[in-house]
Amino acid sequence: GEDVEQSLFLSVREGDSSVINCTYTDSSSTYLYWYKQEPGAGLQLLTYIFSNMDMKQDQRLTVLLNKKDKHLSLRIADTQTGDSAIYFCAESIRDNAGNMLTFGGGTRLMVKP
Amino acid sequence: NAGVTQTPKFRILKIGQSMTLQCAQDMNHNYMYWYRQDPGMGLKLIYYSVGAGITDKGEVPNGYNVSRSTTEDFPLRLELAAPSQTSVYFCASSGPGLRNNEQFFGPGTRLTVL
Repeated sequence: GEDVEQSLFLSVREGDSSVINCTYTDSSSTYLYWYKQEPGAGLQLLTYIFSNMDMKQDQRLTVLLNKKDKHLSLRIADTQTGDSAIYFCAESIRDNAGNMLTFGGGTRLMVKP
Repeated sequence: NAGVTQTPKFRILKIGQSMTLQCAQDMNHNYMYWYRQDPGMGLKLIYYSVGAGITDKGEVPNGYNVSRSTTEDFPLRLELAAPSQTSVYFCASSGPGLRNNEQFFGPGTRLTVL
């Protein structure tokens, strides 16, 4: 079965790097995603990585994928107070039913000034 | 484009009441989804649709019904509200042409059943 797990909480100081980790179980995942949810809002796609890649960099964001260990991480460089939010890891398995996503429980990132 | 819109934003129901949560998208996406998010938890899929006239159950469908008469709209119906249905409900949509299979989310409906 599919299961995506994340730690619940991370606290960092402004200007430090944040690393949010995620583990997944389904080896047939095609894409892996990081979504950001700000208070009272829906989820917004932050970044994604295709399953045949091991790293993707997008400005302050770096995604690392270890397929052997089924481990995904999101690194935010120079973390700002505006980065405080809940971050969800999700995996996508493309099948006849469309694009099905399985979400982790979310990691709440708190950035202290 | 407005993207994915949901109404209402908030609602309080009494046990046994019914209501419909509305969801609409203007991106001509074939796929639409309903999720619920309980406090401190991830999103659980309730129902999904791969096109007008086609719906299917997700992980937690009990107590809900959906319909998809048009590409744009995907309402979620609660017939007999129960306290266990207190949650935040998110609608999402996705298009088959999207290279990264991204799902676009609405702002959510916060439902409390007392």
